Amino acid sequence: DADVTQTPRNRITKTGKRIMLECSQTKGHDRMYWYRQDPGLGLRLIYYSFDVKDINKGEISDGYSVSRQAQAKFSLSLESAIPNQTALYFCATSDLPATGVVEQFFGPGTRLTVL
Amino acid sequence: DQQVKQNSPSLSVQEGRISILNCDYTNSMFDYFLWYKKYPAEGPTFLISISSIKDKNEDGRFTVFLNKSAKHLSLHIVPSQPGDSAVYFCAAVNYGGSQGNLIFGKGTKLSVKP
Repeated sequence: DADVTQTPRNRITKTGKRIMLECSQTKGHDRMYWYRQDPGLGLRLIYYSFDVKDINKGEISDGYSVSRQAQAKFSLSLESAIPNQTALYFCATSDLPATGVVEQFFGPGTRLTVL
Repeated sequence: DQQVKQNSPSLSVQEGRISILNCDYTNSMFDYFLWYKKYPAEGPTFLISISSIKDKNEDGRFTVFLNKSAKHLSLHIVPSQPGDSAVYFCAAVNYGGSQGNLIFGKGTKLSVKP
């Protein structure tokens, strides 16, 4: 079973609609992240959370909000979707740096299309 | 301003030959560097990392070289295989002084031709 899961995997919505993307993890990590990938722009950080009570804005947080419902769950919301939010969205998790494990573990992604 | 740069959007290599993917960075505070591989319709997967106190790290066919004075790292794949065809992202992080967020380059699409 996948350690980091994302739902839905694909979503088509219309401009102005509210949409939520969900992420769950079984790795037991405290840290969770949301990224978006656009062609030619790499991965850009939207929001990150280091524990249930900690939420931080990333590089491109405008138009997005997040909720950390539990250690294992981190959801991303688009309050009023617009076409330039069409992208691939990835959730990721990581352990504490003190463990010596530096990498982040990514989910399979959600392809979002806003018409 | 981009802190991590991958200046080659794409690279094509013949099977069996060496693939060299390059990455430059501007922030001298970065203390770990990572390479991720991404296939279509999948999330990025971790490939190899290197600490700033080292200049080389090897894992099977994959070797990462770090040149701190030039603020440059490279990923060597030898020998290249068709299954290595993917987008490769370079990432950097400053664990010592910040929250530990990865900064990614824009990626290089590697095509390995049989």
